[in-house]
This record gives sequence, structure tokens and C-alpha cells, in this order.
Amino acid sequence: DVKVTQSSRYLVKRTGEKVFLECVQDMDHENMFWYRQDPGLGLRLIYFSYDVKMKEKGDIPEGYSVSREKKERFSLILESASTNQTSMYLCASSSTGVPYEQYFGPGTRLTVT
Amino acid sequence: KQEVTQIPAALSVPEGENLVLNCSFTDSAIYNLQWFRQDPGKGLTSLLLIQSSQREQTSGRLNASLDKSSGRSTLYIAASQPGDSATYLCAVRNTNAGKSTFGDGTTLTVKP
Repeated sequence: DVKVTQSSRYLVKRTGEKVFLECVQDMDHENMFWYRQDPGLGLRLIYFSYDVKMKEKGDIPEGYSVSREKKERFSLILESASTNQTSMYLCASSSTGVPYEQYFGPGTRLTVT
Repeated sequence: KQEVTQIPAALSVPEGENLVLNCSFTDSAIYNLQWFRQDPGKGLTSLLLIQSSQREQTSGRLNASLDKSSGRSTLYIAASQPGDSATYLCAVRNTNAGKSTFGDGTTLTVKP
């Protein structure tokens, strides 16, 4: 059974803290994605990676960075957390071959106070 | 730029009813279209994926269709149950990009 896991379901951090969100997939997928989901704004892509050490900016990369040192792990980093980064963060992965199906993790609800 | 729209934003039906959820997209040059289900506070669960060369896919009580020329997909749910209550999202993957564009979803409530 395919699986994408995220390090925390709920996280509370203070403004200015450095925050790490971890995502691991066990499907040997090349592509990995970080999204955030907010009411009224839908799902927005922050960053994605199509290979180890490779990354591309999504639609809203400001205030975020990513790291992919191993194929199975993709980390999202908030260098200095701000209250407007309070959100649901979703990680996903997909293969580069047919059928390119995306699989999502359970999400991390981050609250920045 | 691809835009994906799901109408209505919310739908409430009595148990047992058959229903159709809609997804429309502006750029027909897609690679595939995927339907997801999301329960409150949870991640997205993949329901069905339709390749651009396919017209429909079926899984149990679910049937998804794709009409690229008109930029539309539908998700048909037969004999709805209260357990089907969730938000349903569609996502379109464009041919020339690894990214997908998501609709805002339709929140379905099935009343017992």
C-alpha cells in the first residue's frame, strides 16, 4: 500500500522560529510537492522537486525553502515563521511515469502564534 | 494559465440519491485529471485518475468521465451514503509541466 507520511499532524510555533516540516514517501517516486491549503484560497503549490537536490518554485514560494537530500524525503523550511503562515500543509508525491498519480500525506496543521 | 473550476461549491442531498459533481478546465492540453476526496482536517485521498486518452474510469459506486474538447469532467456517485460526505477536489495535470492545478472543491453532505 502506497504511503506518504508527514512528521507531525499538529504543530504550534512562535513567530520568528525556524520550522521544519518533513515528508517521507515509500513509493520510490521522483516527484514530490509541498502545498498549503487555506479556506477560500484552495490548494496552492509552494515548491516541488523532480529529483534529489532539484527543486522548483511553485506559486507561493516566498518565506519558504526546501531540501531534498534523499529521494524519499522532502523537507519544507520556514526560515522565520510568521502568523500568516498558519495553515494546513500537505505533502504529495508522484512518479514521472504513467500514470503520474499523486498521493498525499495526512497533512500538518501549523499554527504560528 | 490553467484554471480549474468546480461548481457548485456545496451540495446537500438525501441518502440514496445519485449525484454528479462537475469540474471544468480552461486549457484542454492536459495529461490527466484526478479526483480526490478530503475529509475535514485530513489529507487528500485519490479516488480516480483519468488519462487524457481515456473517456472514463470506474471504481465501485464512482464513475468519472472526461471530455477534453469541452474542458469538462464529471464525478458520478451512485446511491449516495452519509459516509460519502466530504469535499471532492479535481486536479488537472498539464502536459508540459509536472505540476497540477486544483479546483476549490465541492463540499458534499449526504443526509440520512
